[in-house]
Amino acid sequence: SQTIHQWPATLVQPVGSPLSLECTVEGTSNPNLYWYRQAAGRGLQLLFYSVGIGQISSEVPQNLSASRPQDRQFILSSKKLLLSDSGFYLCAWSGGGRDTGELFFGEGSRLTVL
Amino acid sequence: GQNIDQPTEMTATEGAIVQINCTYQTSGFNGLFWYQQHAGEAPTFLSYNVLDGLEEKGRFSSFLSRSKGYSYLLLKELQMKDSASYLCAFMDSNYQLIWGAGTKLIIKP
Repeated sequence: SQTIHQWPATLVQPVGSPLSLECTVEGTSNPNLYWYRQAAGRGLQLLFYSVGIGQISSEVPQNLSASRPQDRQFILSSKKLLLSDSGFYLCAWSGGGRDTGELFFGEGSRLTVL
Repeated sequence: GQNIDQPTEMTATEGAIVQINCTYQTSGFNGLFWYQQHAGEAPTFLSYNVLDGLEEKGRFSSFLSRSKGYSYLLLKELQMKDSASYLCAFMDSNYQLIWGAGTKLIIKP
């Protein structure tokens, strides 16, 4: 069966510090991978998605970046965090192909920037 | 443009029935999803509708009317564990999901 795991679950970082969130998927190959951010009272905001190794699409201009060094690994990074980067970050995967849309989410990472 | 709207919060009684509505506007549509999200946890898939009509899955049912840009999630025989946020999302012409802000459902004994 397929599993998705992201870490760390919780982190508190000062403004201007770097960030690295990691996500891995097991039990499937060539998944579509996504990074979302969820702010309180707002819908899920798609940050990045990837359909293959090294292929990253950015949906929102920001000080965040994403990388996919391996087929089932997706990393969200920042060189300098802003207060506005606080939120609940979710990694997700879906099967390839346009006839599937169901997303499977990781446990989430709650980031507080102080 | 695209937009999606659902109520912010609803309250219902244990054992009762509740209907959570979702309206959307988009030029390209490839289906509508409902997800459940308990506080502090990740969303989990509940249902997917791409054709008009009602899809029933146990205590949960989801309805879609594409001509009206309208969907609802119906929860029957409510249990305390159903207290959660319910997220509505449609898939646009680029096969990307556009998410509503979620409806927080509070179940009272």
